[in-house]
Amino acid sequence: QVHLVESGGGVVQPGRSLRLSCTASGFTFSNFGMHWVRQVPGKGLEWLAVISSDGKTDYYADSVKGRFTISRDNPKNTMFLQMNSLRAEDTSIYFCAKEPPFWGSWFDSWGQGTLVTVSS
Amino acid sequence: EIVLTQSPATLSLSPGERATLSCRASQSVSSHLAWYQQKPGQAPRLLIYDASNRATGIPARFSGSGSGTDFTLTISSLEPEDFAAYYCQHRGKWPPGATFGQGTRLEI
Repeated sequence: QVHLVESGGGVVQPGRSLRLSCTASGFTFSNFGMHWVRQVPGKGLEWLAVISSDGKTDYYADSVKGRFTISRDNPKNTMFLQMNSLRAEDTSIYFCAKEPPFWGSWFDSWGQGTLVTVSS
Repeated sequence: EIVLTQSPATLSLSPGERATLSCRASQSVSSHLAWYQQKPGQAPRLLIYDASNRATGIPARFSGSGSGTDFTLTISSLEPEDFAAYYCQHRGKWPPGATFGQGTRLEI
């Protein structure tokens, strides 16, 4: 059974950095592209970043390009989101999500999310 | 950039009634559209992929239709547990980013 667990959230001051992790189990992690999506509590979903199965290709939403970096460690079944120069508007719940097999346009599994609060 | 517009923003219905939720794309997305359900404090849950295919374990009362720019999620007879937020989503092969609609809140 697919299981995704995010960690690393917390309270951080504006301008500081934070690294989130997404630990996967129940599937062959190295075979699947992975994504980060965030959500201001009570609001809608915002896609942030994708990384290919081999970690060689990534792509970002304009809102985080140049500040956030997605990466992965396949032997450790873990994906990361390095978030730099954090702003108050980055306060959100951050979810990791998995692509389906054989490329599909949807996300077939999600983690439960980790809350990041950017505040002085 | 493709924009997904969902309507209505809020839908007020009663158990047993039929719910019809709409998602319109700013340009054709073929059938590359998914629907998710999200309850408070939970992660989104995949309901429908490729416009009309139910995900594993999703009850038959949920159905999706449409192609191109206009899509519909129908819940044939609402159960109490169906009152939640619903999002449509698109992702193309390139660029590989995803887009979500702003959501429809289904309330009693």
